[in-house]
Amino acid sequence: AQSVTQPDIHITVSEGASLELRCNYSYGATPYLFWYVQSPGQGLQLLLKYFSGDTLVQGIKGFEAEFKRSQSSFNLRKPSVHWSDAAEYFCAAAGGTSYGKLTFGQGTILTVHP
Amino acid sequence: EADIYQTPRYLVIGTGKKITLECSQTMGHDKMYWYQQDPGMELHLIHYSYGVNSTEKGDLSSESTVSRIRTEHFPLTLESARPSHTSQYLCASSEGGWQTYEQYFGPGTRLTVT
Repeated sequence: AQSVTQPDIHITVSEGASLELRCNYSYGATPYLFWYVQSPGQGLQLLLKYFSGDTLVQGIKGFEAEFKRSQSSFNLRKPSVHWSDAAEYFCAAAGGTSYGKLTFGQGTILTVHP
Repeated sequence: EADIYQTPRYLVIGTGKKITLECSQTMGHDKMYWYQQDPGMELHLIHYSYGVNSTEKGDLSSESTVSRIRTEHFPLTLESARPSHTSQYLCASSEGGWQTYEQYFGPGTRLTVT
């Protein structure tokens, strides 16, 4: 069965520190991969996406993610976290021909200490 | 900025009432989706539509129903609300066709059934 796993339920970092959020997927073929961010009481905002090509993708708000086929991973990174980055982050995947149906991970809550 | 709207944002209603959650988008997207999200949990797809007069049930069984009479409008209805329906409901849309595209999310409706 297709699945997306985010191993870390909650991560706490200090402002200015680097960040890496983990995402692993289980799909028959290389899926399309997404990272979304959700602030409290809000909908989801797309940070970045990977469809094909360069395995290091750049997104909004200074985020980047690296696709590693050998590890079935798509980890999200940011070199220096800002207090405004505190939110919940969701990794999602879809097959290329799945008509866009997304499978989401459980989410990682990011807390940023001043 | 995605133009997808949901009303109401918050709804508290008694058991047995009929409710309709509204979702509208102005991007002309053919595909629309409804997700259910419990606090601290991942999103589960409950309904989707590939275009006018097209509706399908998602991966998570739901007692709700949907309709798609107009491209821009995708309302979700609960005929008789129960406390087990308490959750956040997120609407999303994306470009059409068999391929996968990024989804744009509305702000969500937080439903509480007492």
